[in-house]
Amino acid sequence: EKVMTQSPATLSVFPGERATLSCRASQSISTNLAWYQQKPGQAPRLLIYGASTRATGIPARFSGSGSGTEFTLTISSLQSEDFAVYHCQQYNNWPYTFGQGTKLEIK
Amino acid sequence: EVQLVESGGGLVQPGRSLRLSCAASGFTFDDYAMHWVRQAPGKGLEWVSGITSNSDTIGYADSVRGRFTTSRDNAKHSLYLQMNSLRVEDTAVYYCGGGDAFDIWGQGTMVTVSS
Repeated sequence: EKVMTQSPATLSVFPGERATLSCRASQSISTNLAWYQQKPGQAPRLLIYGASTRATGIPARFSGSGSGTEFTLTISSLQSEDFAVYHCQQYNNWPYTFGQGTKLEIK
Repeated sequence: EVQLVESGGGLVQPGRSLRLSCAASGFTFDDYAMHWVRQAPGKGLEWVSGITSNSDTIGYADSVRGRFTTSRDNAKHSLYLQMNSLRVEDTAVYYCGGGDAFDIWGQGTMVTVSS
């Protein structure tokens, strides 16, 4: 089973600033990596797939990068609606695995 | 509208069974691999099970293998999760998701296992 490790657990950022979230896989997953945003009481929403491709309707301020074992989600110029929990997930093979999540909070 | 709607959750005693359903609409269901993902209260996401579009491959997390069974009926555009021998630690919101990167999610159904 591939273990996904996200850092930091919590990130405090001012609105308008940039946020950088990290995700590391215990083994190479090529670019089979997705990022999700989840707000309280809601289902997750797909932001990024293939490590760097934005899902339909996702604003350009969200960008993903990386391959192999190291991945990054960058949110430029944070908006109020961006404060949420972010999950990474590998879908290279079953069992799919998620990171433990990064909570992005307002500073 | 693309939609997944889960049902069947509720309160159940340890050791009992429950069957969840996920009804799909607005997309070509039989083109999609489908999955169950759960989230315990205050915790992260955990992949539970996946099934390929034609049901030829079904996978399970170690935590549920041998107790849970996933199936689908493409004619009814539906996904199912039969949960047997339920444990307190199975308490969670259960989501169905479509695709490999899950671009379609249901709203979730709460399963509470408690005596």
